[in-house]
Amino acid sequence: AQSVTQPDIHITVSEGASLELRCNYSYGATPYLFWYVQSPGQGLQLLLKYFSGDTLVQGIKGFEAEFKRSQSSFNLRKPSVHWSDAAEYFCVFLMFSGGYNKLIFGAGTRLAVHP
Amino acid sequence: KAGVTQTPRYLIKTRGQQVTLSCSPISGHRSVSWYQQTPGQGLQFLFEYFSETQRNKGNFPGRFSGRQFSNSRSEMNVSTLELGDSALYLCASSLTSGGNNEQFFGPGTRLTVL
Repeated sequence: AQSVTQPDIHITVSEGASLELRCNYSYGATPYLFWYVQSPGQGLQLLLKYFSGDTLVQGIKGFEAEFKRSQSSFNLRKPSVHWSDAAEYFCVFLMFSGGYNKLIFGAGTRLAVHP
Repeated sequence: KAGVTQTPRYLIKTRGQQVTLSCSPISGHRSVSWYQQTPGQGLQFLFEYFSETQRNKGNFPGRFSGRQFSNSRSEMNVSTLELGDSALYLCASSLTSGGNNEQFFGPGTRLTVL
């Protein structure tokens, strides 16, 4: 079945530490993948997206993600976390089915940042 | 440029009632998508409207419906409310149809069904 999985429900890091959020997908072809962030009381914001080409994509707020076909992964990284990065992060997969296309969201990873 | 706006921000209804939520997209955007977010099911796609036509749909019962007006504003209606319909309903707008275009999300409408 086509799906996207985020293995970590909660992650806590110290401010200034590096961050990696995991995402695995299941799809027969090259997927369209996104990372979105949802801050408390706010809507979702697109961090970055991968459609094709360079497997390392840069996003906003200093985030990057690497597409690895061999591992079916699209992990999100940031070299140094800021307290304002505390939020929920969603890995999202664009599914094509029956003439429709729709975004499939992972369960999300809630990030807490310790000062 | 103003972002996506949703009204009302909070709603409390009782079982069996119906509710209508409104979404105004970013100026110039013609596609509006709706999502339901709950702690148990996460974020799920409801449907997408483009040029007043439903283009995409998720796996929700017929109690969930929507429409889009000529100015691209969209409404979502839920009839015969159930307790399980309590959720944050998010709408997102994009320039064109199809999920591969960047979608800009509104702050959501928090619906509580008692």
